[in-house]
Amino acid sequence: SQTIHQWPATLVQPVGSPLSLECTVEGTSNPNLYWYRQAAGRGLQLLFYSVGIGQISSEVPQNLSASRPQDRQFILSSKKLLLSDSGFYLCAWSVGLAGETQYFGPGTRLLVL
Amino acid sequence: RKEVEQDPGPFNVPEGATVAFNCTYSNSASQSFFWYRQDCRKEPKLLMSVYSSGNEDGRFTAQLNRASQYISLLIRDSKLSDSATYLCVVKMGGGTSYGKLTFGQGTILTVHP
Repeated sequence: SQTIHQWPATLVQPVGSPLSLECTVEGTSNPNLYWYRQAAGRGLQLLFYSVGIGQISSEVPQNLSASRPQDRQFILSSKKLLLSDSGFYLCAWSVGLAGETQYFGPGTRLLVL
Repeated sequence: RKEVEQDPGPFNVPEGATVAFNCTYSNSASQSFFWYRQDCRKEPKLLMSVYSSGNEDGRFTAQLNRASQYISLLIRDSKLSDSATYLCVVKMGGGTSYGKLTFGQGTILTVHP
C-alpha cells in the first residue's frame, strides 16, 4: 500500500532563516506531487505541483520554492522565511494522468517568529 | 465570488441526528467533486467522491446538482466520531490534463452526547 511521509512534524524558525521541508512517497511510481499551505482559519492553498522529476509548476508567487530531485521525493524550501510563511504545510500525491483523488501526508506545522 | 463556498458552521448536533452540508462552486467546467474530512490539527482525508447520480457510503450520502453547481453531504445517525471539519473539493479538467483541486474553507461539525 502507498504511504506518504513528511518531516519534520513541527518547526519553529526565526524570521529570515532558511527552510527545507521534505516529503516522500512509498509504494507507487511516478506520482503527481503537491505542496499545500493551510493558514490558521483558512482553506488549503495549492503552492506547487509536480508531474515528474525536475518538473515543478508554481501556483502563486511567493517566498517559497520546490524541487523534485527523485521520483518520490518533493522538497519545499525558502531562503529567508517571513512571518506570513507560518502555517500548516501539507504534501499530497495522486496517480494517473487525470490526477484524480489526492492523498495527504501528516503535514508540517511551521511557526515563524 | 469564491470558487468553492461552504457554510463554515459550526454545526452542533446531538448524537443520532441527521445533518446536511451544502457547497456551491463557481466554475461550470468543474468535473470532479469530493468530500474530505479533516480532524483538528490533522491532514485532510478523503471521505467520498461525489458522482452525478449521487452516491451513498454507509451513513453518508453525497449528491451533485450540475445545473445549480451545488454539492451536498448528508450524515445520518451522527456519531461522536463524526466531529470534524468537512471540506468540499472541486476539480476542473480531466482526461490527460492536470486538474487543480480547489478546496472550500470547510464546515465544522460537532456531535455532542
